[in-house]
Amino acid sequence: AQSVTQLGSHVSVSEGALVLLRCNYSSSVPPYLFWYVQYPNQGLQLLLKYTTGATLVKGINGFEAEFKKSETSFHLTKPSAHMSDAAEYFCAVSDSWEKLTFGTGTRLTIIP
Amino acid sequence: KAGVTQTPRYLIKTRGQQVTLSCSPISGHRSVSWYQQTPGQGLQFLFEYFSETQRNKGNFPGRFSGRQFSNSRSEMNVSTLELGDSALYLCASSLGTLAGGRGTDTQYFGPGTRLTVL
Repeated sequence: AQSVTQLGSHVSVSEGALVLLRCNYSSSVPPYLFWYVQYPNQGLQLLLKYTTGATLVKGINGFEAEFKKSETSFHLTKPSAHMSDAAEYFCAVSDSWEKLTFGTGTRLTIIP
Repeated sequence: KAGVTQTPRYLIKTRGQQVTLSCSPISGHRSVSWYQQTPGQGLQFLFEYFSETQRNKGNFPGRFSGRQFSNSRSEMNVSTLELGDSALYLCASSLGTLAGGRGTDTQYFGPGTRLTVL
């Protein structure tokens, strides 16, 4: 079975600072990896995904992530944080069929 | 294109009752998955349906069941409700394309149904 680990349940950054949310995966096969964002009282929205091809993946709202096989990582970054980025972020791996296995989430707080 | 819709958005039930939640996928999507989200356990996979067939099932008791109709709409049912069933239930739809036995398509999530069991 595949799994992901998100380091840091809470991350705070100042507005305009770099956002770095960490995700490490465990997979016996080449992983398919996803980052989702959840705003309060809403469902999940896909930020970006990696299946095959280019290891640097660009997503919506200025986010990107780099798949590093040697480090089994798929960290999410954004160069400059905006107040609207405050939300909970989930890393996920495609397990079997359409099942996604999610990490425990990281709550991102933006300090004005 | 309309997104994934879930009804109702909020439910309050008492222990022992049963509940049915509904999910309408994005037009053209044949796969519907259900997830339970709680503060303690996080996001957990319940089951997935594709073309009216259950393709995958998570580790939940038999009280949790689902089905999918020919128009891809899906329902999940929870019988004999327990306090621990209080959660946000999310459904997601996708085209259902697999590669190497795993999904690669984007799953689009609905806003969820918040179930409170008293």
